[in-house]
Amino acid sequence: DVKVTQSSRYLVKRTGEKVFLECVQDMDHENMFWYRQDPGLGLRLIYFSYDVKMKEKGDIPEGYSVSREKKERFSLILESASTNQTSMYLCASSFRAHLSNQPQHFGDGTRLSIL
Amino acid sequence: AQSVTQLGSHVSVSEGALVLLRCNYSSSVPPYLFWYVQYPNQGLQLLLKYTSAATLVKGINGFEAEFKKSETSFHLTKPSAHMSDAAEYFCAVTLGTGGGNKLTFGTGTQLKVEL
Repeated sequence: DVKVTQSSRYLVKRTGEKVFLECVQDMDHENMFWYRQDPGLGLRLIYFSYDVKMKEKGDIPEGYSVSREKKERFSLILESASTNQTSMYLCASSFRAHLSNQPQHFGDGTRLSIL
Repeated sequence: AQSVTQLGSHVSVSEGALVLLRCNYSSSVPPYLFWYVQYPNQGLQLLLKYTSAATLVKGINGFEAEFKKSETSFHLTKPSAHMSDAAEYFCAVTLGTGGGNKLTFGTGTQLKVEL
């Protein structure tokens, strides 16, 4: 089974802090994704990556950046956290870049609160 | 561009009753479609996927969905609800060609199962 591990289940930070959310997958997947999930809005794509050191903006990239230095690890960075970034963050991965018919596999999420 | 509409943010059924969760999609090219389930405090788990083989797709936990091109629908059904089916369900779409593996999610339907 694919295992996608997010480093923290719950995280509390203060406004203005730089926040790192880490995600690791163990199945040599090429694609990795970061979403945020808010009630009534479903999942919205922040950033994704098809390969090491490659990244592409999703639908809501403002206020976020990402890093993919190794194939198995994809980090989401909040450069200067704000209260409107309080949310559930979900990481996902899928096997081959540019293949549409494969499912994404999700981690358990990080519930981030910005005070 | 593709989009997904899930009708009904909350659905309540009695245990043993039919479950019907609605999903309509919009896509300029033949789509691939997915249903995911999210249990409390967990990530998303794949229920089933449509990738242009059979129009009736069977998934895990007794769920199935039928792709109807004429109605642009991919509704999720289960003949007999169980208490353990209480969760949030998400429909997602991706382009069949040239879209990579980016998924667009609906806003979700919370399923409640009552005794």
